[in-house]
Amino acid sequence: DSGVTQTPKHLITATGQRVTLRCSPRSGDLSVYWYQQSLDQGLQFLIQYYNGEERAKGNILERFSAQQFPDLHSELNLSSLELGDSALYFCASSAWDSENEKLFFGSGTQLSVL
Amino acid sequence: GENVEQHPSTLSVQEGDSAVIKCTYSDSASNYFPWYKQELGKGPQLIIDIRSNVGEKKDQRIAVTLNKTAKHFSLHITETQPEDSAVYFCAAIFTGGGNKLTFGTGTQLKVEL
Repeated sequence: DSGVTQTPKHLITATGQRVTLRCSPRSGDLSVYWYQQSLDQGLQFLIQYYNGEERAKGNILERFSAQQFPDLHSELNLSSLELGDSALYFCASSAWDSENEKLFFGSGTQLSVL
Repeated sequence: GENVEQHPSTLSVQEGDSAVIKCTYSDSASNYFPWYKQELGKGPQLIIDIRSNVGEKKDQRIAVTLNKTAKHFSLHITETQPEDSAVYFCAAIFTGGGNKLTFGTGTQLKVEL
């Protein structure tokens, strides 16, 4: 168990709908990352938050948004869903050892858009 | 651009044999190279990592080698066991985009009895 909690584990919805994915990082970790995993695109970085502030942005669509709250949990909001948004969405939190930032992933949310 | 290529995409070995997975990266400024193991229904789990000032690192049956000149690094698993069956991802930090981890496309490793 990585200590990163993601809910829900599975989500089935229809095109055009909006969903919210939730992530609680490991205790003490300030950074949260969101990744999308699909069969054809692999693991794609979406966005990173650090202590409530957006730190870096990757290939995140304008229909997607995220935020990190004062208690450090994060939510990823996906709107106007399309069939191609079906994927596994992972959250990770990070911690530094002496030299590097190491990511710890949750078990993911499987999103199915029908 | 930021790119990590990983080979092979699938690998099947007999229990007890060794497995090698190779990755190449595009950015010569990359200095951190982790490897992740993803089992079915779970998120990727960090299994070993290496920095660019080190050529090789070993942890029990797992080792990683890095050739910075050639910009490639490899994961070596010796004495493979059925529980090693999983998808393995290499990754590299690209410093241009705020220390973002970029992943390879994954290798499905199957250890057969």
